[in-house]
Amino acid sequence: GAVVSQHPSWVICKSGTSVKIECRSLDFQATTMFWYRQFPKQSLMLMATSNEGSKATYEQGVEKDKFLINHASLTLSTLTVTSAHPEDSSFYICSARRQSGLGAFFGQGTRLTVV
Amino acid sequence: GQNIDQPTEMTATEGAIVQINCTYQTSGFNGLFWYQQHAGEAPTFLSYNVLDGLEEKGRFSSFLSRSKGYSYLLLKELQMKDSASYLCAVSPSRWMDSSYKLIFGSGTRLLVRP
Repeated sequence: GAVVSQHPSWVICKSGTSVKIECRSLDFQATTMFWYRQFPKQSLMLMATSNEGSKATYEQGVEKDKFLINHASLTLSTLTVTSAHPEDSSFYICSARRQSGLGAFFGQGTRLTVV
Repeated sequence: GQNIDQPTEMTATEGAIVQINCTYQTSGFNGLFWYQQHAGEAPTFLSYNVLDGLEEKGRFSSFLSRSKGYSYLLLKELQMKDSASYLCAVSPSRWMDSSYKLIFGSGTRLLVRP
């Protein structure tokens, strides 16, 4: 089956610093990658959709200058949380869609804690 | 707008059957997915429906009625390990569209008791 690797699994950072999260499709080319955020006991909220080689499309209410998304290749997308604050603490999950497949495959998720 | 509703929590007994409902109102419809998510982990794919009817896969079955905007996930012979959140997700666009994405419901937390 398709494998999506997300790194790191967890990270603790100081308020005001930036954190980069990587999402890689290991055995397929991902034309589209999605970034979600999930708060405790809540569902996945789509933050943005990124297509390889083009700018990400952000959902309403998501600050594109704070959550920088780069999708430089068909196997890698990165999410950078800039100037992180405690309210940014959350579970961030990426998913990747194959060119010829339905649905999407999820990475393991990254638990970000900002102190 | 997009709206997907699921019950917040359900409780069932080991060995029993439970049905988790999902209703949706979306700008388009090109498939409905069910995912299982254990606490602190990423969702894992369970089922996909795009046509009306029942799809059976082992202990899990999923039903879709497009005219009613309704789906359910049926879990049989419940096991303790089935305690998890179950997420209903809809794809408003076709998979080949650049706007393709999944919209998730709030999820149903299922607790299986001995």
